[in-house]
Amino acid sequence: AQTVTQSQPEMSVQEAETVTLSCTYDTSESDYYLFWYKQPPSRQMILVIRQEAYKQQNATENRFSVNFQKAAKSFSLKISDSQLGDAAMYFCAYRRRWNDMRFGAGTRLTVKP
Amino acid sequence: DAGVIQSPRHEVTEMGQEVTLRCKPISGHDYLFWYRQTMMRGLELLIYFNNNVPIDDSGMPEDRFSAKMPNASFSNLKIQPSEPRDSAVYFCASSLVGGSFNEQFFGPGTRLTVL
Repeated sequence: AQTVTQSQPEMSVQEAETVTLSCTYDTSESDYYLFWYKQPPSRQMILVIRQEAYKQQNATENRFSVNFQKAAKSFSLKISDSQLGDAAMYFCAYRRRWNDMRFGAGTRLTVKP
Repeated sequence: DAGVIQSPRHEVTEMGQEVTLRCKPISGHDYLFWYRQTMMRGLELLIYFNNNVPIDDSGMPEDRFSAKMPNASFSNLKIQPSEPRDSAVYFCASSLVGGSFNEQFFGPGTRLTVL
């Protein structure tokens, strides 16, 4: 079974600073996808960034980037120049090609002004 | 596209009543997922469909829960009878096989409160 672990229930960052959220996963598959979703107080699940396992290059979306270490089964999210609007729950997720998605327990990010 | 649509957004009911949650996936998507989110258990997959056919319902907690997808543009999740422990946020998501990263698009969720 695939499991996703987020070891940081809560994180805090000063506005304009950088923060890294950790995620590890367990799988025996070689072909899969990894995602980070953001859930603000509105409850809407918003895709932040995604990574294909066969790609070695780390994905980047503006201020968001990942550090994908396939051998270590690690997929951390780095948020640069943090903004107040980044405050939310962040979920790491794993999905095999056509199968369902498995989510971690989430990390609550607070951004201090 | 309007995205995944869920209704109602909020539902308050009394224990023992039947609850029906509704979902309209993004047009053209061939996978539909139902999730439940609670503080204790996080996000759990309940069931998912491919081309309107249920593929895996192993996450459905009890026989009180049922889900159907009569056509490509509609699915419902029923709880009968409802219990206070069913209180949660229920999300519907859809995706397209072969689409970019097999990304799942989530609806806004339905917050269910069972008194």
